[in-house]
Amino acid sequence: EDQVTQSPEALRLQEGESSSLNCSYTVSGLRGLFWYRQDPGKGPEFLFTLYSAGEEKEKERLKATLTKKESFLHITAPKPEDSATYLCAVKNSNSGYALNFGKGTSLLVTP
Amino acid sequence: DAGVIQSPRHEVTEMGQEVTLRCKPISGHDYLFWYRQTMMRGLELLIYFNNNVPIDDSGMPEDRFSAKMPNASFSTLKIQPSEPRDSAVYFCASSWGLNEKLFFGSGTQLSVL
Repeated sequence: EDQVTQSPEALRLQEGESSSLNCSYTVSGLRGLFWYRQDPGKGPEFLFTLYSAGEEKEKERLKATLTKKESFLHITAPKPEDSATYLCAVKNSNSGYALNFGKGTSLLVTP
Repeated sequence: DAGVIQSPRHEVTEMGQEVTLRCKPISGHDYLFWYRQTMMRGLELLIYFNNNVPIDDSGMPEDRFSAKMPNASFSTLKIQPSEPRDSAVYFCASSWGLNEKLFFGSGTQLSVL
């Protein structure tokens, strides 16, 4: 059975203080690892898809990387507007079209 | 496009009552998903449709839950009878083809008393 574990559960950063969020996964036949951002009272919003170890994707202050066991979401010089919950999800070769989500990391960036 | 539209935004009901949640996907999208989110279990896939046909309903918790998609622009998730443990945020999402970029609605916050 797929397992997706995100850490830490919550993270508080000062504006400009770079850090990384972790997503560890156990899945047979990874067909993609996904990062979403969720703001309070809203649905998740797609950020990145990574398909193979060594792949990297960037968007503004965010950079996602992937190894065979985990993915990192690096946040460089965060701003208060980066405050949100960041969700990781995996898809395997047996899950059809289903994404298996982790419980997320709640990020708070203070001025 | 207005995005995925869900209604109602909030629903408070009493145990045993029927609850119907509604979703309008983005026009042109051929996949529609229903998810449930709780603090304990996170986001769980309940069911998804392709071209209005249910493909996988293995996530539907029990027979009290049912979902329909009568046409490409409308879907419902029904709970009958509702129970307090059904309290959660229910999200609808849609996508085009095998593009794994899902577009989520703003969700329905369901409270069953």
